Order: sequence, then structure tokens, then C-alpha cells
Amino acid sequence: QKEVEQDPGPLSVPEGAIVSLNCTYSNSAFQYFMWYRQYSRKGPELLMYTYSSGNKEDGRFTAQVDKSSKYISLFIRDSQPSDSATYLCAMKGYGQNFVFGPGTRLSVLP
Amino acid sequence: DAGVTQSPTHLIKTRGQQVTLRCSPISGHKSVSWYQQVLGQGPQFIFQYYEKEERGRGNFPDRFSARQFPNYSSELNVNALLLGDSALYLCASSLAGAPSAYEQYFGPGTRLTVT
Repeated sequence: QKEVEQDPGPLSVPEGAIVSLNCTYSNSAFQYFMWYRQYSRKGPELLMYTYSSGNKEDGRFTAQVDKSSKYISLFIRDSQPSDSATYLCAMKGYGQNFVFGPGTRLSVLP
Repeated sequence: DAGVTQSPTHLIKTRGQQVTLRCSPISGHKSVSWYQQVLGQGPQFIFQYYEKEERGRGNFPDRFSARQFPNYSSELNVNALLLGDSALYLCASSLAGAPSAYEQYFGPGTRLTVT
């Protein structure tokens, strides 16, 4: 079993849809949870981070962490074609190295 | 402000050769991490350096080595290249090397092709 699992997609949605992206993990020591966006042939860009459990909102993006279920989510409201990219979840424990999921490829169709 | 810069952008090497990749962190950042991203997968941690000292090492063979210079730039060296080393090599910088540090910024990467 991989430490971090993520549906690779591709996920195609129409413009304006709500997108839900998810990751599951097995390491209960993870405390810091991040979402990155990676456009083709570019480096990952940090979108959101959450410490421990809870929700965090930033504009059209909402991150949720459920440590009891070892499950994290990223919601994108009013999705735009410019949101088309690969979304990577990443997590780490205190003093540990980052572990990334394989990424979900998202296409938002105009 | 300049972000993380990496050189070269692309590189083609043959099996058995050696390669050196370079990274300059964001000004003021003292920690540099290296990742390998194989096509279709997430980045995999290779090394972290903070204040010129190795702070973390991922599950990579000894053919991989790195160092950090007094100006906080860094080099990643890979010896005896294998076909499986073909990947995007990413450098990320962060302000500090604290165990709780989560905010890191990635460069555009160096795409290495081994033939």
C-alpha cells in the first residue's frame, strides 16, 4: 500500500462546475497537508496548506482534512479553464520529509 | 523578485555518464530540497539541505549526492546514469529548515533524459 493515494484521473468537468479532488493516506503521523497545482512542464505551485484536521478556505478553493478517516479534499468552486492542471496532494509529519500523491489531472472544458 | 531558478532546462545524457544539476533558491531562503518526478507520478524527495548541512535524505541510491554552497545555491549530482533516472528534477526552497516547515517553493525543474 502506498503512503499517499490519489485518483490519477483524468477528470473532465464543464466550466463553472464544482470540482472535488481527494487523497487518502496511511501514515497517522502526518500533520501538515498541502495542495499543489502543476501546469504542464512547470514546477508545482503551492495552493493551500492545512495543519491537522479542519477546513480552510481561500477564494474559490476549500481544503478539508479528516485525520480520523485519513482523508483530505480540495474543492474548487466555479471552475475555470485556467484551472486545468495536475493537482498534487502532499503531506508530512513533524520533522519528516514531504510525501506527494501521484496527482490528479483536471480538465475544465469551456 | 526572482523565484527558484534551475539550470539547465533540459539535458540529454547516455547511460553511465554523470550529471550535475544546479539550483538557486529564492533570495533569503536558506533551505533547498531536491525531488525527482517521473512522468505521471508525484515528486519524490531526494535531499534537503539547510545552512549547508544535509537535513534529510530520501530512499535513493548513493549514486545521488548533493551539496549546498555558502550562498545557499545547491547542486545535485547523479553518477553512473541509468535509463530509469530519466525524470524531471525539481528544486524547492524554503525560508527555514524547521521540522514544521511546510511552505516550499518549486523551480521549473530540469528535464533529464538518459538514452
